[in-house]
Amino acid sequence: DIQMTQSPSTLSASVGDRVTITCRASQSVRSWLAWYQQKPGKAPKLLIYKASTLESRVPSRFSGGGSGTEFTLTISSLQPDDFATYYCQQYIDSWTFGQGTKVEI
Amino acid sequence: QITLQESGPTLVKPTQTLTLTCTFSGFSLSTSEVGVGWVRQPPGKALQWLAMIYWNDDHHYSPSLKSRLTITRDTSKNQVVLTMTNMDPVDTATYYCAHTLGNALTTNVPFDYWGQGTLVTVSS
Repeated sequence: DIQMTQSPSTLSASVGDRVTITCRASQSVRSWLAWYQQKPGKAPKLLIYKASTLESRVPSRFSGGGSGTEFTLTISSLQPDDFATYYCQQYIDSWTFGQGTKVEI
Repeated sequence: QITLQESGPTLVKPTQTLTLTCTFSGFSLSTSEVGVGWVRQPPGKALQWLAMIYWNDDHHYSPSLKSRLTITRDTSKNQVVLTMTNMDPVDTATYYCAHTLGNALTTNVPFDYWGQGTLVTVSS
């Protein structure tokens, strides 16, 4: 099984901050990496796929990068609506999620 | 407009079998490259993929749970059913169904539409 590890587990930030979340895979997943946003009591929402492709209607302040085993999700200017938990997911070999990163005020 | 809705019991006893139904609209599970999967999330914990079924009836299971899971589809009813045997309190979680749409090259794609989830508690 491919394991996904995110860091940090919790991130404290303020509105307007630039924040970056890292995701590492236990083996290469090439660019088959997605990012999701989840708010309490809600289903995950797909933000980015193929490591860096923005899903439709996702604000451009979100961006993804990386390939192979190391990936990043960056929010260029944190907005109040962005406080949530973010998950990475590999989909080259079935589907495996990271443990999540909570972005809090 | 694609929508998915999970339904099933909110409470099951240990050792019982859980049956969950995902009823969807806005797409057909007979269309090439379409898939419907199940993902669960224990309270306060991370997401875990469970099972996937495709338009051609191909199906895949999480290796750690494979012996307990069965996924089936009813294309006439636009439904996907997941059964999980021998339920245990550690299986307490919100269970989601979700849609995928692959392409001619691959069915390895992320989940683009999700149901709202249904919380299943395992307790005697």
